[in-house]
Amino acid sequence: ETGVTQSPTHLIKTRGQQVTLRCSSQSGHNTVSWYQQALGQGPQFIFQYYREEENGRGNFPPRFSGLQFPNYSSELNVNALELDDSALYLCASIDDRRTGELFFGEGSRLTVL
Amino acid sequence: QKEVEQNSGPLSVPEGAIASLNCTYSDRVSQSFFWYRQYSGKSPELIMSIYSNGDKEDGRFTAQLNKASQYVSLLIRDSQPSDSATYLCALGGFKTIFGAGTRLFVKA
Repeated sequence: ETGVTQSPTHLIKTRGQQVTLRCSSQSGHNTVSWYQQALGQGPQFIFQYYREEENGRGNFPPRFSGLQFPNYSSELNVNALELDDSALYLCASIDDRRTGELFFGEGSRLTVL
Repeated sequence: QKEVEQNSGPLSVPEGAIASLNCTYSDRVSQSFFWYRQYSGKSPELIMSIYSNGDKEDGRFTAQLNKASQYVSLLIRDSQPSDSATYLCALGGFKTIFGAGTRLFVKA
């Protein structure tokens, strides 16, 4: 158990819709990262938040956005869903004291039809 | 742009054998390296971290780092069927970059 929880675990959307995925990080972990993992691929970095501010972003379009809240929860929003957005979305809580080790939640599997 | 390269496999080894997983990376200044294990349908879990050249052992797992060659490896001794999973090599830093993973099958 990593102490990181994500919801929902599975969801199905149609093209053009919007989705919000939620994550609750470990208490005391000020940094949270979100990753997209397509089938057969490694996780791809979407963005990272530190104390409620985005401080890093991967090669994802602006329709991917996020928020981090003071209670160690965060969310990933994706607008105008495309078929290629179908993937496992992973939230990772980062222990800054341990040189960047990531603690993943169970993930949210999104299917876009 | 940091890159991490892994052989996608599958790597198949008999039970009790040593499984050797390899990874190369492009960023010469990286200081932290990780191996994550991911079972099918599950999320990655950290199994090893290594920060300096040489070997680091933890139970049946040994991570090896050679910064001059930009190479990191993971050895699994006495492989068990429960070790069958995808192993992800990752480069730490401001953001963690993952390789595509190597699928390992341990045959009973």
